[in-house]
Formats: sequence, C-alpha cells, structure tokens
Amino acid sequence: GAVVSQHPSRVICKSGTSVKIECRSLDFQATTMFWYRQFPKQSLMLMATSNEGSKATYEQGVEKDKFLINHASLTLSTLTVTSAHPEDSSFYICSARSPTGYNEQFFGPGTRLTVL
Amino acid sequence: AQKVTQAQTEISVVEKEDVTLDCVYETRDTTYYLFWYKQPPSGELVFLIRRNSFDEQNEISGRYSWNFQKSTSSFNFTITASQVVDSAVYFCALSDRGGNEKLTFGTGTRLTIIP
Repeated sequence: GAVVSQHPSRVICKSGTSVKIECRSLDFQATTMFWYRQFPKQSLMLMATSNEGSKATYEQGVEKDKFLINHASLTLSTLTVTSAHPEDSSFYICSARSPTGYNEQFFGPGTRLTVL
Repeated sequence: AQKVTQAQTEISVVEKEDVTLDCVYETRDTTYYLFWYKQPPSGELVFLIRRNSFDEQNEISGRYSWNFQKSTSSFNFTITASQVVDSAVYFCALSDRGGNEKLTFGTGTRLTIIP
C-alpha cells in the first residue's frame, strides 16, 4: 500500500514553454502533498507544501508564479513549471503524507525535467 | 532552524563488509522525527525507518540497524554484511511536528559496494 505515482517520468521541453507534472496517491487519500527539487548529486530541497482545497505554501526563495501548484483532489496534486528555462532543469519529486498520522511521507518516482 | 548533516559524501566498501553512515541533526523542537531514506540509481526514494524523539531504542531490521543518541544528536545507520544491492544514496531527514511536518534532508551519502 501507500503508492505514489508521478507523470511523466521524463520530459524534455523548449525554453519558454510550460510543463505540468502530476502526482497521484494511488491507494490512499492525501490531504497534504509535498514537492521537492533535486539537482544532480545534491539533496532534496522542499519547494512547497500542497494542501487539498487550499493554496500551496511555498518555501522561501521559491517563485510561486513560476511553480504553480494545484491540489484539486485528495489524490492528485500538480506542479506546473511556467515559462521554463534551462536552469529549471532538475529532478522533481513529490511525496504524500501517510494517512496513518505517523508523519511518514511516501515518495513518487520523480520526474526528470530537461529544458533546452 | 532545523539542520541535518551527513559528513560522509561518498563511501566505498568491499562486499560483505559492515558500513556505518553518520547523521547529525540540529533542532530546537523537543518533539521531532528522524528518518532514513534510500535512493537507488532509479531515483525513487525508499523509506527505511522513522524514529520519534522520545524513543531512543536502537532498532535492527535484518542487516540494517540504527543507533539513535539524543545526547550527541546523532542517528547513525549501519549495514551489516553489505551487498551490491545496497549501493545507493542514503539520506537522513528530520521533521518537526508542526502543522505541515515538512522534511529537512541531509546532503546524502553515496554508498558504493564493491563486488
């Protein structure tokens, strides 16, 4: 149980275009999902916390207008990278908080974004 | 502010050797959670263990064991009789019990098991 999926797994786009990444909790309802960014050989940095039915909470330094997060249902959160640039190329990982209340997050497989 | 330090950037050991990955954390919270995750080359994070701040008992799960010491703010991870499949990046993480319970990750330790 507690499976989180992400789609797409890889995406290549041209500079200036927008890209949407989906994060789904497949077998549980997640009121809270998290979006992380990981540069090559670096750690995961939290970008934002996504709460179902409300606005996302962004970490300091993350542009909310560039990284649009929507958590429209209890099983789906989306991250849209708007007007992507090469410096946005990264590995984006989402996680969903376990409904058991033990503060455990289950991670998706990640999406590798390459902006040309 | 919370902080997690994994001083070992890369470790290589020969298969069947034991290896310990260090994790030191900083937090002002009295209630918090510590985690270890494994990230194989495929990229997906695999949950290994969660420990809350009130439980200092060491834990063993097969070849894996964890040593939590509040006195030194450390949560070290030992793999006994390492195997090639253990090769991965291992992250230690810390979470408070605030409203969103977000995770703060260490910089990770890249473990390579040499056959």
